[in-house]
Amino acid sequence: ELKVEQNPLFLSMQEGKNYTIYCNYSTTSDRLYWYRQDPGKSLESLFVLLSNGAVKQEGRLMASLDTKARLSTLHITAAVHDLSATYFCAVDLAYNYQLIWGAGTKLIIKP
Amino acid sequence: KAGVTQTPRYLIKTRGQQVTLSCSPISGHRSVSWYQQTPGQGLQFLFEYFSETQRNKGNFPGRFSGRQFSNSRSEMNVSTLELGDSALYLCASSPGTRGETQYFGPGTRLLVL
Repeated sequence: ELKVEQNPLFLSMQEGKNYTIYCNYSTTSDRLYWYRQDPGKSLESLFVLLSNGAVKQEGRLMASLDTKARLSTLHITAAVHDLSATYFCAVDLAYNYQLIWGAGTKLIIKP
Repeated sequence: KAGVTQTPRYLIKTRGQQVTLSCSPISGHRSVSWYQQTPGQGLQFLFEYFSETQRNKGNFPGRFSGRQFSNSRSEMNVSTLELGDSALYLCASSPGTRGETQYFGPGTRLLVL
C-alpha cells in the first residue's frame, strides 16, 4: 500500500525564520505535487515536480524531489505571515490516474 | 479562463437520503477527479473521469458513484447517506495527462444529520 508521510504535521514559527517540510513516500513515483490550503478554502497548486533532482522555486518557497530517496522537501525562506496555511504533498502513482495525499502540514507563522 | 466550479457549495441532508454534486471543469480540460476531505481521514481519492470514462476508482463503497458528460462536466452521487459522509467534496480538473497540475474547485461542504 502506498503511503505518503509528511512531517512535521504542525509547525509554528516566527517570521523571518527558515524551515523545511518533508514528504516521504513508500513506492516508486516520479511525479510529486505540492498544494496549499487556506482555512475553509480549496487547494491551490504550488509545484509539480516531474523528475529526479527537480527543483522549483516561487518566492519564498522552494521544492525539490529525490526519487531515489523517495523524498520531497518544501523549504520556506524568511517566512512571512501570509505563508500561514496547510501544505499538502501528493504522489502520482505510475500506473493509474490518482493522487495519494499526505496528511498535510499546518504551518503557523507568527508576526 | 474561468476556474473549476462546483455546485452547490453547501448541503444539509439527513441519513438515508441521496445527494448529487456537480462539477464544471476548466474549459478544455477533459479529466475530472473527485476527492473527499475530512479532518480524520484527510484527502481521499474517489474517482477520476476522462472523456466520459471512469479511469480509476478509489476505495469507497458502491454508494458513491459518478459520471461525466460529453462537455466534461461531472456529477457525483452518494446514495443512502451516512453520518460519516459529512465532508468537503472537492473536484479537480486537468487536461488529462499524467504530470499535469490538477486545479481544484471551491468544494461542496456536505453535512449529514
